[in-house]
Amino acid sequence: SQQGEEDPQALSIQEGENATMNCSYKTSINNLQWYRQNSGRGLVHLILIRSNEREKHSGRLRVTLDTSKKSSSLLITASRAADTASYFCATAPSGAQKLVFGQGTRLTINP
Amino acid sequence: EAGVTQFPSHSVIEKGQTVTLRCDPISGHDNLYWYRRVMGKEIKFLLHFVKESKQDESGMPNNRFLAERTGGTYSTLKVQPAELEDSGVYFCASSQERGGSSYNEQFFGPGTRLTVL
Repeated sequence: SQQGEEDPQALSIQEGENATMNCSYKTSINNLQWYRQNSGRGLVHLILIRSNEREKHSGRLRVTLDTSKKSSSLLITASRAADTASYFCATAPSGAQKLVFGQGTRLTINP
Repeated sequence: EAGVTQFPSHSVIEKGQTVTLRCDPISGHDNLYWYRRVMGKEIKFLLHFVKESKQDESGMPNNRFLAERTGGTYSTLKVQPAELEDSGVYFCASSQERGGSSYNEQFFGPGTRLTVL
């Protein structure tokens, strides 16, 4: 299985609800990042959490990191139709500059 | 300030042909990365430049792929000859060099969608 696995693979919720996506990884990391990709467009960096941080907020986004369980979660509160996109977690393994991505979660917000 | 740009946005070629993708990183960013996403699979790292030098090319799938970054500015990724399995989206990213720091925010371009028929 791949480093940086997200679940669920697809999530469909009503506008206004909260969306939670999870990510697991396998090796030691320097940091973990979440990205969004709207259909046909590039990756947009959302938030970075360092390995010594446990929680981070940015607007309607909340990211947690549990290094003991090698897992992270992304919570989007009060979802909007514009949040419809694919979300990827990416880890930066210790000693490496490259990012290792999971397969992503496809989030659909229904009006 | 301009972000990472990639050209072309979409390329359709036939098997056996050659295609060259271009990436212009954010000005001043020493680090440049290539990634690709093959249909239905995860985004995978291809290689990493620091200025004009290849720092890590462990993700390059085979010798049909050639990446260059002459002068340490823009980079090109050539696929020759292209095969059907090369179809996907090729992303470029850049980041600043932060010596001794673990921080590594990479800024991605919009990607080039390559279709090999």
